[in-house]
Amino acid sequence: GNSVTQMEGPVTLSEEAFLTINCTYTATGYPSLFWYVQYPGEGLQLLLKATKADDKGSNKGFEATYRKETTSFHLEKGSVQVSDSAVYFCALNTGTASKLTFGTGTRLQVTL
Amino acid sequence: NAGVTQTPKFQVLKTGQSMTLQCAQDMNHNSMYWYRQDPGMGLRLIYYSASEGTTDKGEVPNGYNVSRLNKREFSLRLESAAPSQTSVYFCASMTDFNQPQHFGDGTRLSIL
Repeated sequence: GNSVTQMEGPVTLSEEAFLTINCTYTATGYPSLFWYVQYPGEGLQLLLKATKADDKGSNKGFEATYRKETTSFHLEKGSVQVSDSAVYFCALNTGTASKLTFGTGTRLQVTL
Repeated sequence: NAGVTQTPKFQVLKTGQSMTLQCAQDMNHNSMYWYRQDPGMGLRLIYYSASEGTTDKGEVPNGYNVSRLNKREFSLRLESAAPSQTSVYFCASMTDFNQPQHFGDGTRLSIL
């Protein structure tokens, strides 16, 4: 079956630090990959996506590259801000009603 | 500009009580989903509806039922609530494969 593994949190960084959140997956077929972000008290919002190998998704300074050879989709940002504090979820789908499989989430806290 | 609307936002039940969580989307999406979010477990799919008139079980369907009332609305029912169903419930909708799912703000349900 499909599965997504994310690095454990919480991750605590100072403002302007470099961020990496690791995500690896196992899947049958050719999945589409997503990063979602959840701010406190809210639902999940799409941050970025990639639908095929070597695609790079980007949004709001965040980037992730679909690496088929390493089955990874690591999230990066060059300079984090306090406003980036949230929980980040890696997810995949492989068709069949487009059911998403989520990782367990990584909480990011950015301090001044 | 509503997107996915969930009601209620908070609810406290006693063990054995029943209730229905409501979800409506105004984006003319074909597919709708119910997830539960528990600490350290990410989001897990309870039920989904790939199109109006169809529903299917997800990863954790026991103790729940759903109804796809029309294209807009997808409700989740707990017939006899149990403390293990204490969770945050999210509804989501999506139009096509490879497109992102859009989430509501969640219903926080506590069962005593």
